Amino acid sequence: GIQVEQSPPDLILQEGANSTLRCNFSDSVNNLQWFHQNPWGQLINLFYIPSGTKQNGRLSATTVATERYSLLYISSSQTTDSGVYFCAVFSGAGSYQLTFGKGTKLSVIP
Amino acid sequence: DTGVSQNPRHKITKRGQNVTFRCDPISEHNRLYWYRQTLGQGPEFLTYFQNEAQLEKSRLLSDRFSAERPKGSFSTLEIQRTEQGDSAMYLCASSIGLGGPEKLFFGSGTQLSVL
Repeated sequence: GIQVEQSPPDLILQEGANSTLRCNFSDSVNNLQWFHQNPWGQLINLFYIPSGTKQNGRLSATTVATERYSLLYISSSQTTDSGVYFCAVFSGAGSYQLTFGKGTKLSVIP
Repeated sequence: DTGVSQNPRHKITKRGQNVTFRCDPISEHNRLYWYRQTLGQGPEFLTYFQNEAQLEKSRLLSDRFSAERPKGSFSTLEIQRTEQGDSAMYLCASSIGLGGPEKLFFGSGTQLSVL
């Protein structure tokens, strides 16, 4: 099946700093999503981004499908950005199974 | 849009007991998904419904697990004869279901602890 790898696994930032999270996937996909799981376990869908670039406030994401990677940018980080960031892709070939990476655990300290 | 609702929020049970979880998707969403997440891992796919039809099941879904979505609205996930390895967060998600793969919205999950 499709493999999804995220880096770095852990990241500690000072409040106000910027960061880039990376997601690599092993096969062609027609769908990629970024999620934020807060410390209470709630998964929030940040972006649905099969290709190109999208921005939402201090967050932006870029997917280069031909090179099989996606990047999530967080600018001017805040303590509320803490949590785990997951990328996930559908396996394709008519499957609706979303395969998740292991996530990047972000800690933003004041 | 009230979001995806899951009940109960927490469940503690003894090994060998049966448990049932409920998921209410966003009202206009045709697709419903169940995932399982253990500590330090990303969610793993269990099963998927399009309306009332269960169209995909993971190999993770042993015969002790069964899911239903009887009228294409809410769904239940039942685990029979629970084992300690079943301890996990069980997540439900829904999506609108208008075409191909699309954006998923997750509920807050049911945390299962099997003693």
